[in-house]
Amino acid sequence: GENVEQHPSTLSVQEGDSAVIKCTYSDSASNYFPWYKQELGKRPQLIIDIRSNVGEKKDQRIAVTLNKTAKHFSLHITETQPEDSAVYFCAATGNQFYFGTGTSLTVIP
Amino acid sequence: EPEVTQTPSHQVTQMGQEVILRCVPISNHLYFYWYRQILGQKVEFLVSFYNNEISEKSEIFDDQFSVERPDGSNFTLKIRSTKLEDSAMYFCASTAGMGTEAFFGQGTRLTVV
Repeated sequence: GENVEQHPSTLSVQEGDSAVIKCTYSDSASNYFPWYKQELGKRPQLIIDIRSNVGEKKDQRIAVTLNKTAKHFSLHITETQPEDSAVYFCAATGNQFYFGTGTSLTVIP
Repeated sequence: EPEVTQTPSHQVTQMGQEVILRCVPISNHLYFYWYRQILGQKVEFLVSFYNNEISEKSEIFDDQFSVERPDGSNFTLKIRSTKLEDSAMYFCASTAGMGTEAFFGQGTRLTVV
């Protein structure tokens, strides 16, 4: 099956700074790469996704980049706010969703 | 907005007992999943289900586990002879198709004592 690695496991940034989370995957057949945000005690919720035929996608303060050749993709959050504090999971999907290990992001006011 | 619902929200069971976790996926979705999340750890894939059969399962999903779609709406995960290490949050998810957003239920917290 797919192997998704995610770094860093924890990340602290000052409010207003940018945060970057990186993931790599192993299965070249994976073609859909969503990012989920999980607040404490709640279900994971999709924040942005990208497909293999696209290199970059942006939605307001959130952007995702994909390098299919290198098999890595990244989440970029600009102008971070305290409400961005959560655990973020990347996923790579072909037939199934395989999640990374998660990044606990803390935005310090 | 349609959502995936899970019951119960919290289940406490004695070691060795059987539990059934229930999920109602979004009605027009075709693919169903169970995931497990041990406290503070990653979301781990257990099993996927499509067209009334298991399409893929992980190493975690051994003979202790089974899934069923007993009617047109429910999707259940049965854990036989529960062990302490089965304690986790179990999430059900559904998607309309491959390569589309997975919607997660709110989870069932299973505590085995």
